[in-house]
Amino acid sequence: NAGVTQTPKFQVLKTGQSMTLQCAQDMNHNSMYWYRQDPGMGLRLIYYSASEGTTDKGEVPNGYNVSRLNKREFSLRLESAAPSQTSVYFCASSVETSGRETQYFGPGTRLLVL
Amino acid sequence: EDQVTQSPEALRLQEGESSSLNCSYTVSGLRGLFWYRQDPGKGPEFLFTLYSAGEEKEKERLKATLTKKESFLHITAPKPEDSATYLCAVQEESGTYKYIFGTGTRLKV
Repeated sequence: NAGVTQTPKFQVLKTGQSMTLQCAQDMNHNSMYWYRQDPGMGLRLIYYSASEGTTDKGEVPNGYNVSRLNKREFSLRLESAAPSQTSVYFCASSVETSGRETQYFGPGTRLLVL
Repeated sequence: EDQVTQSPEALRLQEGESSSLNCSYTVSGLRGLFWYRQDPGKGPEFLFTLYSAGEEKEKERLKATLTKKESFLHITAPKPEDSATYLCAVQEESGTYKYIFGTGTRLKV
């Protein structure tokens, strides 16, 4: 199993450009998440999807849109990138087993907006 | 306001020198507390989940404990390969997706 995969690994954008960050998991998990990680701050939730076809806003959703294409894939779109969106983006999926939840993270996408 | 505070921010240990990392939390209702390890340039890697005060989990040189207000990650006789940033997160009782992460402790052995 590859676990959680993310593409691209690194991207440079100019202000106002758009892009989509891709995430896929092969663990058959229902729940998937998008986080951003900035220096000196904890991971912050952007969007969450409990299952295919459902999405919910997290703590910092402004400037982002998401699509839960199917059970495996959860994409994050920046319609008009801003320098404040320079960050490392992590996708995660989770499963609950015997009442205990485990969250698995992807390797991250490093985004620089100029 | 719900929050998670980790201390110290950074810790340097000699190989074999045991120590503890702290995660204190303020949340209206705790569903679970999680510890992760994060290596530079990589995503967080799950270590432990703790659900109730008094619970303990162990894995190799790591042992996590939980009280009603804080959690400790004890590192016994650390090795250089234990160097990483250790993240703590709490999951609120009210929302299954609502995780609050601390800023981490950077450990160098």
